[in-house]
Amino acid sequence: GENVEQHPSTLSVQEGDSAVIKCTYSDSASNYFPWYKQELGKRPQLIIDIRSNVGEKKDQRIAVTLNKTAKHFSLHITETQPEDSAVYFCAARAPLGGSNYKLTFGKGTLLTVNP
Amino acid sequence: GAGVSQSPRYKVAKRGQDVALRCDPISGHVSLFWYQQALGQGPEFLTYFQNEAQLDKSGLPSDRFFAERPEGSVSTLKIQRTQQEDSAVYLCASSLRQITEAFFGQGTRLTVV
Repeated sequence: GENVEQHPSTLSVQEGDSAVIKCTYSDSASNYFPWYKQELGKRPQLIIDIRSNVGEKKDQRIAVTLNKTAKHFSLHITETQPEDSAVYFCAARAPLGGSNYKLTFGKGTLLTVNP
Repeated sequence: GAGVSQSPRYKVAKRGQDVALRCDPISGHVSLFWYQQALGQGPEFLTYFQNEAQLDKSGLPSDRFFAERPEGSVSTLKIQRTQQEDSAVYLCASSLRQITEAFFGQGTRLTVV
């Protein structure tokens, strides 16, 4: 099955700096890669996603890049703000057969933005 | 409803007790997923429904775990004879179709004492 590795497990940056979180996946058939933000005690919420036919996607201060050959994708947050502090999870969606799929998550990165 | 709703939010169970966790997905969402999230970890897949059909239950850790979605909307995750290692947050997610965004509920935090 799919295996998703995420690094680093913790990341501390100064307000205004950039933050980068990296993930690798094992199943070359995976075709969709969402990123979720989870604040303490709250539900994971989708912040950006990328499909396998695209190499990069940007939404204001956040961007995601995908390298299918190397099977890795990254989240980039620029001009970080204290409210960006949360746990970030990457995920990869692999087909199970037919029209079914499974979403596999990385173990998460605790991002702390220091004012 | 406005989002995925789970109940109860918190459940404390004595070891050996049976529990039932409920998930109300967003109305009209075909796909429903259950995940288990241990403290400090990412969500781990448990099982998946498409309407009332349970298409994948490969993530259920043991035969003490059982999930159902009899009418293709509300789903229940049941854990029999709970053990301490079952303590975790159980997340439910739903999506309109296979290829669309999955929305998560706030989860049920289960503590087995």
